[in-house]
Amino acid sequence: GEDVEQSLFLSVREGDSSVINCTYTDSSSTYLYWYKQEPGAGLQLLTYIFSNMDMKQDQRLTVLLNKKDKHLSLRIADTQTGDSAIYFCAGFSGGYNKLIFGAGTRLAVHP
Amino acid sequence: KAGVTQTPRYLIKTRGQQVTLSCSPISGHRSVSWYQQTPGQGLQFLFEYFSETQRNKGNFPGRFSGRQFSNSRSEMNVSTLELGDSALYLCASSFDGPNNEQFFGPGTRLTVL
Repeated sequence: GEDVEQSLFLSVREGDSSVINCTYTDSSSTYLYWYKQEPGAGLQLLTYIFSNMDMKQDQRLTVLLNKKDKHLSLRIADTQTGDSAIYFCAGFSGGYNKLIFGAGTRLAVHP
Repeated sequence: KAGVTQTPRYLIKTRGQQVTLSCSPISGHRSVSWYQQTPGQGLQFLFEYFSETQRNKGNFPGRFSGRQFSNSRSEMNVSTLELGDSALYLCASSFDGPNNEQFFGPGTRLTVL
C-alpha cells in the first residue's frame, strides 16, 4: 500500500527559510498536498501541486516535486513564529478521496 | 462561504457506550470523508460518502459506521466504544472536481474513559 514518510521535527530561526521533506511510494496521485495543523485545530490546506509539475510557488511557499525520486518538499521563506505548527504531506491512494498522510513534521520557529 | 463545521467539538464517553458525530460540509460540496487522528497511528482514513452513498472505506472495524443525508451533511457513529477510540475525528469535504481539494473541519475530540 501507499506509504508517505516525513522527518518528524525541524527547528529554524525566525526569518530563515524552512524546508520540509516528504517521500512517497504511490505515484498514482494526480495531486499532492501540503496541510498545516496548529495545536487544537483541524487541517488547513496550504497548497498543492499537480503531479506533472516540478515546482509551484505560492507567496512564501514553494513546492518542489521530484517524480523520479518520489520526493516532495515544501519551502517556507522568511519563516515566522506563526508558522510554528505540524505540516503534513498527503496524496490520494486506494480509491475515492482517500488521502494518505505522512506522520507530520513539527516545525518550531525560535527568535 | 462558511467552512466545514463539526459538532460537538469535545465529547467524553465511557467504554461500551456509543457516539454520533456530525459534519456539515462547505455549501456545494457533495463529498464528505472522515479521518481518525491519534498520536500513535497518525491520520487514518475511515470512509467517504458522495450523494448519500459510501464510495470508499478504510480498515476499521464494523463498529465504525457513517451515513450521508440528502443535504450532504454526514454523521459517523462508533458503537461499543473502546479506550483506543479516543482520538480527534476530522471530516473533510470536497467538490470532487479536478484538483479535488479536501477542506477539513476543526474536528471532534473524543475521549473514552
